[in-house]
Amino acid sequence: VQLLESGGGSEQPGGSLRLSCAASGFTFGSYSMSWVRQSPGKGLEWVSTISHRYDLSYADSVKGRFIISRDDSKNTLYLQMSSLRPEDTAVYFCARLWFGDLSPFDYWGQGTLVTVSP
Amino acid sequence: DIQMTQSPSSLSASVGDRVTITCQASQDIRKSLNWYQQKPGEAPRLLIYDASTLDTGVPSRFSGGGSGTDFSVIITSLQPEDFATYYCQQYHNVPITFGPGTRLEIK
Repeated sequence: VQLLESGGGSEQPGGSLRLSCAASGFTFGSYSMSWVRQSPGKGLEWVSTISHRYDLSYADSVKGRFIISRDDSKNTLYLQMSSLRPEDTAVYFCARLWFGDLSPFDYWGQGTLVTVSP
Repeated sequence: DIQMTQSPSSLSASVGDRVTITCQASQDIRKSLNWYQQKPGEAPRLLIYDASTLDTGVPSRFSGGGSGTDFSVIITSLQPEDFATYYCQQYHNVPITFGPGTRLEIK
């Protein structure tokens, strides 16, 4: 199993970024997937989950600004981030949910850094 | 939202020591509790799921316990590779929430 994030970078407040997570080594379409972030020197914060049935859930801190999606034909997970704020600065990890929307994160990517500053 | 707390926030110990890290949930989460280990610059690694089941490949010096609101992870005979930050995480309901972490340092 491999998860490889990309798309991170620097953006100004109010801007947008799109993160991608390329998955391999498993049947991507059979698993729910999530984004989890970690602000510099801080703890882990769940951001969003998309189930294998395309059910969506979001943390209140990103609801209305971020959109999670997936393309099972490309084995890729996405996070469209809009109206970015400085507090969105973090390493963003994609993670596989082991056995459903509410289950352990059994595999993680290496993360991609998003920096939001003027 | 379910709030997760951990204690201690940091801990200094020596190789060969036994350490206990505790995690408390703000409401009953049954056994829907995982533990992760994270080393600097790396992604978290799943250690224990369902409060007490070791993930594949996790050494038997790790053990987890608890249910309801109170949980713990015990590491017997600390090894150099165990010095890291440990997070608990509940998956009883959405939003999924993590504890603030316990940093385990070498004394």
